[in-house]
Amino acid sequence: DADVTQTPRNRITKTGKRIMLECSQTKGHDRMYWYRQDPGLGLQLIYYSFDVKDINKGEISDGYSVSRQAQAKFSLSLESAIPNQTALYFCATSDYTRDEQFFGPGTRLTVL
Amino acid sequence: AQSVTQLGSHVSVSEGALVLLRCNYSSSVPPYLFWYVQYPNQGLQLLLKYTSAATLVKGINGFEAEFKKSETSFHLTKPSAHMSDAAEYFCAVTPNTGGFKTIFGAGTRLFVKA
Repeated sequence: DADVTQTPRNRITKTGKRIMLECSQTKGHDRMYWYRQDPGLGLQLIYYSFDVKDINKGEISDGYSVSRQAQAKFSLSLESAIPNQTALYFCATSDYTRDEQFFGPGTRLTVL
Repeated sequence: AQSVTQLGSHVSVSEGALVLLRCNYSSSVPPYLFWYVQYPNQGLQLLLKYTSAATLVKGINGFEAEFKKSETSFHLTKPSAHMSDAAEYFCAVTPNTGGFKTIFGAGTRLFVKA
């Protein structure tokens, strides 16, 4: 089984809808991250969490919120989706802050 | 502020030819440096990382990268390209001091021609 899983893998929704993307990991890592990938822009950090009680905004957090339900689970929500949030979203984990990150397979979100 | 630049959004090589993907970073203190690969419909996976132990770093699938402090570079190479190397490659930096956020380059898509 994959170490970092994301659900759903693909989602098409309409403007104004609330969407939740879920991430689960079996790595046992405390650190979890949500990134957004747009063509030609690399990955941009949305939110990160160092443990269940520690959640922090990244560089592009506007329009997003997160919930760390347990060490293994980190969810990303779009309260009211808009078309420019159409992108590929990745969850990642790491053991240490400056260590390599382990990525999930991604969720492709389309907002119409 | 930290930044990372990947020269060339697309690189095309023939099978068997040398692969060279360029990465330059800006930092006053040598950071941790990473190369990740992303195959179609998959997440990123680590190819190799530099953490100040050795300037020439060997990774998976025959890739290696050399850290050059004087040039603030961490270019990725592979002597002989294989069709299966076609993917997108990302250079990433994490500060060694101060902040900790990893900054990713924009990515370079590698095409391998038969």
